[in-house]
Amino acid sequence: AQSVAQPEDQVNVAEGNPLTVKCTYSVSGNPYLFWYVQYPNRGLQFLLKYITGDNLVKGSYGFEAEFNKSQTSFHLKKPSALVSDSALYFCAVRDSHQAGTALIFGKGTTLSVSS
Amino acid sequence: KAGVTQTPRYLIKTRGQQVTLSCSPISGHRSVSWYQQTPGQGLQFLFEYFSETQRNKGNFPGRFSGRQFSNSRSEMNVSTLELGDSALYLCASSGLASQSTETQYFGPGTRLLVL
Repeated sequence: AQSVAQPEDQVNVAEGNPLTVKCTYSVSGNPYLFWYVQYPNRGLQFLLKYITGDNLVKGSYGFEAEFNKSQTSFHLKKPSALVSDSALYFCAVRDSHQAGTALIFGKGTTLSVSS
Repeated sequence: KAGVTQTPRYLIKTRGQQVTLSCSPISGHRSVSWYQQTPGQGLQFLFEYFSETQRNKGNFPGRFSGRQFSNSRSEMNVSTLELGDSALYLCASSGLASQSTETQYFGPGTRLLVL
């Protein structure tokens, strides 16, 4: 069965410092991996995805993520955090063997950036 | 291009009632998925519709149902509401072929409160 783990409920970082939000996954086939961000009382906004190819994926708002097949990880990173990055971040996965577009989500990680 | 729209945005119902939520996908998108978001269970997949056919279904009771119209608009219905159905219901749409590589774009959600 597919699953996603976000081991940290909350990540705290000072503005200007690099940030990392961790994600690990489990699928039977090849993983298709996604990151979304959710601001209070809003829906999910797409940040980036990994389907195939380069392990370093660049996305919106300066975020990037690194796919590591041996560690089954897809950590979200940003070189310099902004206070406005404070939000709830979700990692999600699909299995290449599955039909359709259903996503399996992690529990989410709250990012808090202090000024 | 307009994003995914959901109506209503907020809804208050009492136990035993039924409710219908509506979702209009991004223009040209043919796949629509529904998710339930709660603090305890996180984001859970309800079902996916593509070309008016239910393609996938999550692990929810039969009280939860949906449909898709020829213009790709979708509705979900919850009958005999329970307190535990209180949640944010998110609709997501994706491209032309319901392929597993496609990105899902989410609407703002409908917040349902069951009293």
